[in-house]
Amino acid sequence: DVKVTQSSRYLVKRTGEKVFLECVQDMDHENMFWYRQDPGLGLRLIYFSYDVKMKEKGDIPEGYSVSREKKERFSLILESASTNQTSMYLCASSLGSVTAFFGQGTRLTVV
Amino acid sequence: QKEVEQNSGPLSVPEGAIASLNCTYSDRGSQSFFWYRQYSGKSPELIMSIYSNGDKEDGRFTAQLNKASQYVSLLIRDSQPSDSATYLCAVNMVEGFQKLVFGTGTRLLVSP
Repeated sequence: DVKVTQSSRYLVKRTGEKVFLECVQDMDHENMFWYRQDPGLGLRLIYFSYDVKMKEKGDIPEGYSVSREKKERFSLILESASTNQTSMYLCASSLGSVTAFFGQGTRLTVV
Repeated sequence: QKEVEQNSGPLSVPEGAIASLNCTYSDRGSQSFFWYRQYSGKSPELIMSIYSNGDKEDGRFTAQLNKASQYVSLLIRDSQPSDSATYLCAVNMVEGFQKLVFGTGTRLLVSP
């Protein structure tokens, strides 16, 4: 089975902190994605990567950056956390097609 | 803005009934369509994919696609309380690199 693992299940950070969310997949997938999920807004794509060191902006990239130094790892960085970034963050990976396998999610609270 | 629309529900059905979940999409160029199930507090899991007009069956699940009407649906036969979850419709919006656009989901409640 595909396994996508996110480093934290729950995080609480202070406004202005730099926050790192880590995601690792064990199936040698080319494509990795970061989404956030908010009530009433559904899943929204923040960034995606189709290869090592390659990244593309999704629909809501503002306030975020990403890093993909190794194929299996895709990191989401909140440069200066704000309260409006309180959300559920979901990492996903896929091989070729757009079928995505999701990690367990990180619920981030910014206070 | 390319969109995927779903009724948020909740859709309530009794155990054993057929649950019908619907989704419309705005981009006529879309080619791939997916249904995900998400239990409360959990991440989405893929349950069905469909690429051609018509029906695709997998166990108790049937996905239906009508590209002319820009409509995709999911039928769950013999609904069980364990089917109670939020069902997300996702569409591949062809924008160079293929990426999914998700609907906001329909909450399904199956009562014993």
